[in-house]
Amino acid sequence: DGGITQSPKYLFRKEGQNVTLSCEQNLNHDAMYWYRQDPGQGLRLIYYSQIVNDFQKGDIAEGYSVSREKKESFPLTVTSAQKNPTAFYLCASRPRSLGNTIYFGEGSWLTVV
Amino acid sequence: AQSVTQLDSQVPVFEEAPVELRCNYSSSVSVYLFWYVQYPNQGLQLLLKYLSGSTLVKGINGFEAEFNKSQTSFHLRKPSVHISDTAEYFCAVSDQGGGFKTIFGAGTRLFVKA
Repeated sequence: DGGITQSPKYLFRKEGQNVTLSCEQNLNHDAMYWYRQDPGQGLRLIYYSQIVNDFQKGDIAEGYSVSREKKESFPLTVTSAQKNPTAFYLCASRPRSLGNTIYFGEGSWLTVV
Repeated sequence: AQSVTQLDSQVPVFEEAPVELRCNYSSSVSVYLFWYVQYPNQGLQLLLKYLSGSTLVKGINGFEAEFNKSQTSFHLRKPSVHISDTAEYFCAVSDQGGGFKTIFGAGTRLFVKA
């Protein structure tokens, strides 16, 4: 089945450690996104990528890094510079077509202790 | 710059009652509008979208929304809700110029009571 796969679903890390969240899509979509979700704050855009080897900062990019070496993959690294990393992270993708519908993965819970 | 305002953070309603979730947007260009639903611990699913044409858009699960350009609104409605409609609902906007950014509202939690 086509879709977006995020892993792991749940992740616990100690403060000060970097952690990488995986996102893979087999929908042949051009654009990919990372959003952060906190209770009562909706979705905030971290990074997005329109094509391979290119990405742009979103509204809350500080403390995060991404890469886009393959069309299918858009991993997110939460670095130790991110002051409050505990959150629900959502990866999404979108085809290059009019209508701009975004499709989401199931999300990853990151808890930093 | 675009923005989306969902006017209610929580909406409690009894089962089989009608519901309206309100969404207003601001943009200097023509936009596409979306409603998504999120069940606990899951990603978002598309309910419906407005691209062009008829201002009344029908989506899945009996939901519909009406685009009002003069009021820059895109309110979501359902004539009779079920317990299973309990979820968080997000309004979103993206510009028609092909830009790749989609902006989401803060969400409205719909709680359907028996």
